[in-house]
Amino acid sequence: RKEVEQDPGPFNVPEGATVAFNCTYSNSASQSFFWYRQDCRKEPKLLMSVYSSGNEDGRFTAQLNRASQYISLLIRDSKLSDSATYLCVVPSGAGSYQLTFGKGTKLSVIP
Amino acid sequence: DAGVTQSPTHLIKTRGQQVTLRCSPKSGHDTVSWYQQALGQGPQFIFQYYEEEERQRGNFPDRFSGHQFPNYSSELNVNALLLGDSALYLCASSPGLAVNEQFFGPGTRLTVL
Repeated sequence: RKEVEQDPGPFNVPEGATVAFNCTYSNSASQSFFWYRQDCRKEPKLLMSVYSSGNEDGRFTAQLNRASQYISLLIRDSKLSDSATYLCVVPSGAGSYQLTFGKGTKLSVIP
Repeated sequence: DAGVTQSPTHLIKTRGQQVTLRCSPKSGHDTVSWYQQALGQGPQFIFQYYEEEERQRGNFPDRFSGHQFPNYSSELNVNALLLGDSALYLCASSPGLAVNEQFFGPGTRLTVL
């Protein structure tokens, strides 16, 4: 299994739809997880952190399933401005001081 | 409060040349990490500098080297450039080694011809 693996996408959804992305990770010892958002030709920006079973922030919900080693990101009531690439990120390396990114899932929200 | 800054924004080099990229961390941050992002891929960790020393290194050849200065700014050097080095190079800073507070700069887009 790759260190971090994501749905390849792209996901094309209409405004107002609910969309979910999945991510699997290989290091069972990982304690924290992140979802980053990256707009086209821009830098990644932290969207959500997940330390326990899940986290919710407005329309965004991240869930963690440690037994199956996957993390999901749910976006409700999609907006045009949600169009971006969503990167699943897991700390790795000695001391878990470096970030390992998935390839990302591209989301396009259509009017 | 200035965020992470990187220079230059874009760079075009030819195979075999050498390049130096620069990064200034966010105010209050003393750790700098460098990532390479090829087109269509997620960022890949190159190395991390803390207290002017390379603390961790990803799976990159010795052609990739770096430095951190006393003011916490950092440089990434790549020697003997290959076509495959064409990518967006991202710098991220954090307070100490905290991965949950890594802020990324806008990146330097390197094209190797």
